[in-house]
Amino acid sequence: NAGVTQTPKFQVLKTGQSMTLQCAQDMNHNSMYWYRQDPGMGLRLIYYSASEGTTDKGEVPNGYNVSRLNKREFSLRLESAAPSQTSVYFCASSVERGELEQFFGPGTRLTVL
Amino acid sequence: QKEVEQNSGPLSVPEGAIASLNCTYSDRGSQSFFWYRQYSGKSPELIMFIYSNGDKEDGRFTAQLNKASQYVSLLIRDSQPSDSATYLCAVNMSWGKLQFGAGTQVVVTP
Repeated sequence: NAGVTQTPKFQVLKTGQSMTLQCAQDMNHNSMYWYRQDPGMGLRLIYYSASEGTTDKGEVPNGYNVSRLNKREFSLRLESAAPSQTSVYFCASSVERGELEQFFGPGTRLTVL
Repeated sequence: QKEVEQNSGPLSVPEGAIASLNCTYSDRGSQSFFWYRQYSGKSPELIMFIYSNGDKEDGRFTAQLNKASQYVSLLIRDSQPSDSATYLCAVNMSWGKLQFGAGTQVVVTP
C-alpha cells in the first residue's frame, strides 16, 4: 500500500503559468482533500470531495480548481499562478468525510516567482 | 477569534520531562478532536483522537478533553528527542469541517 501519493514533490512556476498537482490514494477512501500550509497559518482547506463525482469549496478556494477523476484520484489545478500561492500543498483522504482519520500525502512544495 | 487556537511555541522540554500542549476551540458543538504530529518537512500523522470528556491514554501520550471549557490538551510523558516536532490540534466542527490549529513546536533538549 502506497497510501496517498502526490506529484510533483517540488515545483517552481512563474507568475501566470498554470499547473496541475496530482494526488492518488489506494486505500479505497471515499473522501479526499486539498490543503495548503503556510508558516503560522496551519492547514487550510482549499477543496474537498466527499465522494466520487462531487467537489466542494473549502476555506480558501480562490485561484484553484479541482477534479475528482475517479475514486482514487483528485487533482488540483492552478490556472494562473500568483506569488500568494507559494505554499506547501497536501492531499489527504479519509474513509468518509469527518471520519476518524485523514491520511496525508508527502506534500508538494510550490514556489511562484 | 480563530476557530482553533494553539500557542505557537517553541515549547522547550528537557528530555524525560512532561510536555503539555494546549488547544482551545470556538465551536461548542464540536464532537471529535485530533492531535497530529508533523516533523519538519514531512506530512502530518495522527497520534491521538478523543471524543469524550476526560482523559485518553495511548503509550506516552495522554489527550484530555473538557467540552464545557472548550479545551483539549496533549501530554507527552518521558519526552524524547524524537518527540521534537510540531503538534497540530484539529477539531471536527459541528458542520462537518475539520479545522486545524496553527500548531505548537516542541523541542526536546538532551
